Amino acid sequence: QSVLTQPPSASGTPGQRVTISCSGSSSNIGSYTVNWYQQLPGTAPKLLIYNNNQRPSGVPDRFSGSTSGTSASLAISGLQSEDEADYYCAAWDDSLDGWVFGGGTKLTVL
Amino acid sequence: EVQLLESGGGLVQPGGSLRLSCAASGFTFTTYAMSWVRQAPGKGLEWVSAISGGGGNTYYADSVKGRFTISRDTSKNTVYLRMNSLRAEDTALYYCAKENRGDSTYYNNWFDPWGQGTLVTVSS
Repeated sequence: QSVLTQPPSASGTPGQRVTISCSGSSSNIGSYTVNWYQQLPGTAPKLLIYNNNQRPSGVPDRFSGSTSGTSASLAISGLQSEDEADYYCAAWDDSLDGWVFGGGTKLTVL
Repeated sequence: EVQLLESGGGLVQPGGSLRLSCAASGFTFTTYAMSWVRQAPGKGLEWVSAISGGGGNTYYADSVKGRFTISRDTSKNTVYLRMNSLRAEDTALYYCAKENRGDSTYYNNWFDPWGQGTLVTVSS
């Protein structure tokens, strides 16, 4: 059972917009910024969104992040086949004194 | 370019020990905290441990507290994870990741980049 709650799966067709939710609490998302990581099949995770809504250089603007209270969301617009991957949210938790991850969401492009 | 290269994984019996290494390059090593994150086969990411840039602060997940020890050697730009009393549930791919701040508790922090991982298998 992960501290941050994500749906296990999401799907969409090419060109569609999909969102992935991440629910936490006041000790993590409610107090610290949220980061999102993309893990393509067979590869190491890669930073996708940092500080709730910032994109690292090289990440397409089709990817966006937002937060509200103790929840966060990742939105992917103009869905492409290469977006098929696992997506994880993460934040520091000051009650646990450690990093916490969501369980991951497997995105399928139909 | 920042590079992280993990090593030290392998097959170990339950109750055994292993030391993982993460050799870092391309940045000022003592400025940044470092973390270990693991991924069991077919499962999600689980943070394991972190160490501050200066090495004075360490943090552990409850699942490994008392069994794992994180450390860093500034002369070798290397972070270590000493794993004792290993259990079957410790079987995973262990990733090393550079944090954006000098301590994990600081705001505006994230993991970037990640290494390619080293596989630890605990089995008799």
